Amino acid sequence: SQQGEEDPQALSIQEGENATMNCSYKTSINNLQWYRQNSGRGLVHLILIRSNEREKHSGRLRVTLDTSKKSSSLLITASRAADTASYFCATDASGTYKYIFGTGTRLKVLA
Amino acid sequence: AAGVIQSPRHLIKEKRETATLKCYPIPRHDTVYWYQQGPGQDPQFLISFYEKMQSDKGSIPDRFSAQQFSDYHSELNMSSLELGDSALYFCASRSRGDSGELFFGEGSRLTVL
Repeated sequence: SQQGEEDPQALSIQEGENATMNCSYKTSINNLQWYRQNSGRGLVHLILIRSNEREKHSGRLRVTLDTSKKSSSLLITASRAADTASYFCATDASGTYKYIFGTGTRLKVLA
Repeated sequence: AAGVIQSPRHLIKEKRETATLKCYPIPRHDTVYWYQQGPGQDPQFLISFYEKMQSDKGSIPDRFSAQQFSDYHSELNMSSLELGDSALYFCASRSRGDSGELFFGEGSRLTVL
């Protein structure tokens, strides 16, 4: 990966369970974003957290950011089969406008 | 609402041929990004443009070039194609004055035979 790693790389859970994905990055950032990608499709923006924020919520999504550890986590609560997708974090290094993506977590939610 | 439009959606080329991908950003977006995504891989940043000028460069091979035109659409030109160039190529756009969210097109799938 150009910027960081995500873990786990694959996650399989039952519908209704929570899914937690982690992302680490290497440089100082302006913000960190999470994206979702269905197989072979374009990436869809889920949530953005700024470097001066520690936690953010959007519907069933909760994102945390720890700039001292250069890491973030994405929690999806009460997962649904439709949440099955790959999830990527993306960061823009301070002083640039380019967004670098992590390796991604493939989430499978079983009905 | 208008989205990012990419064309063609699918492209098949032979080794050593040339390919051109086009991207039409969301109206009033001033920044365009190009990413390459191989099978099972993360999107790799290639290049970006802001107000028709190259702003950042990533792991773009010398065989590739890109530009942004006066109407803000962008083209990615790929020459001397290699088998390893087979991938999904995504274009994304944003307005630099906005939050930072990238809006992605559906991608162009290039297959090199």
